[in-house]
Amino acid sequence: GEDVEQSLFLSVREGDSSVINCTYTDSSSTYLYWYKQEPGAGLQLLTYIFSNMDMKQDQRLTVLLNKKDKHLSLRIADTQTGDSAIYFCAESTAGGSYIPTFGRGTSLIVHP
Amino acid sequence: EAQVTQNPRYLITVTGKKLTVTCSQNMNHEYMSWYRQDPGLGLRQIYYSMNVEVTDKGDVPEGYKVSRKEKRNFPLILESPSPNQTSLYFCASSLSDRLIQHFGDGTRLSIL
Repeated sequence: GEDVEQSLFLSVREGDSSVINCTYTDSSSTYLYWYKQEPGAGLQLLTYIFSNMDMKQDQRLTVLLNKKDKHLSLRIADTQTGDSAIYFCAESTAGGSYIPTFGRGTSLIVHP
Repeated sequence: EAQVTQNPRYLITVTGKKLTVTCSQNMNHEYMSWYRQDPGLGLRQIYYSMNVEVTDKGDVPEGYKVSRKEKRNFPLILESPSPNQTSLYFCASSLSDRLIQHFGDGTRLSIL
C-alpha cells in the first residue's frame, strides 16, 4: 500500500530556516499536505499542494514538490520557538474516497 | 469559533466494557472521520462519513463502530474494548474528503 516516510527529528537554531522532508510511494497521489501538532492538541492543517504544482508559498512556509522523485519538503523561514511541534506529511489519492496516508511525523526542536 | 469537540479527553477503562467517544462539530461540515495515533505509526484512519447515514471503513476499522444520525455528531463506539485499542484518538471534520481541515484535541484511551 501507500507509504509516507519522514525523518523523526530535526533541531534548528532560532532564526534559521528549517527544512522538513517527506517521501511518498504512491505516484498517483493527488493532494499532499503538511500538518502541525502541538503538545496536547489535534492536528492543524498548515498548507497543502496539488500534485500538478511544483511549489507553494504562504508567508514563512514554502512547500516544494518533486513528483519525479516523489519528494515533498516544507521550509519554514526564520524559525521561531513557537514553531516547535511535530509536523506530519500526508497524501491522498483521487479515487472512491480520499483516505489520507500520514507519515510518522517529524519533531522540530527550535533552540535559542 | 470553528470547533471539533471530543469527549472524554481521557479515559481509563477495562477490557470488554463498552464505551463511546463523542465528536461534535459546529461548522455544518459533511465529512467527518476518526483516526488513531500510535507512537511510531502516525495517524491511521478508522472510519469516515461523507454525510448523514453514510459511513465507510478506513484503514483500521476492526473493533470499532460509528454512526452518523445527525450532521454535527459522529460518535466512535468500542463495543468490547481490548488493550490493543489503547491509543490517542482524533476526530476530524471538513467540507469534503479532499482537505481534512479541522481536528479535535484528541481522546486518550487506556484499556486495561
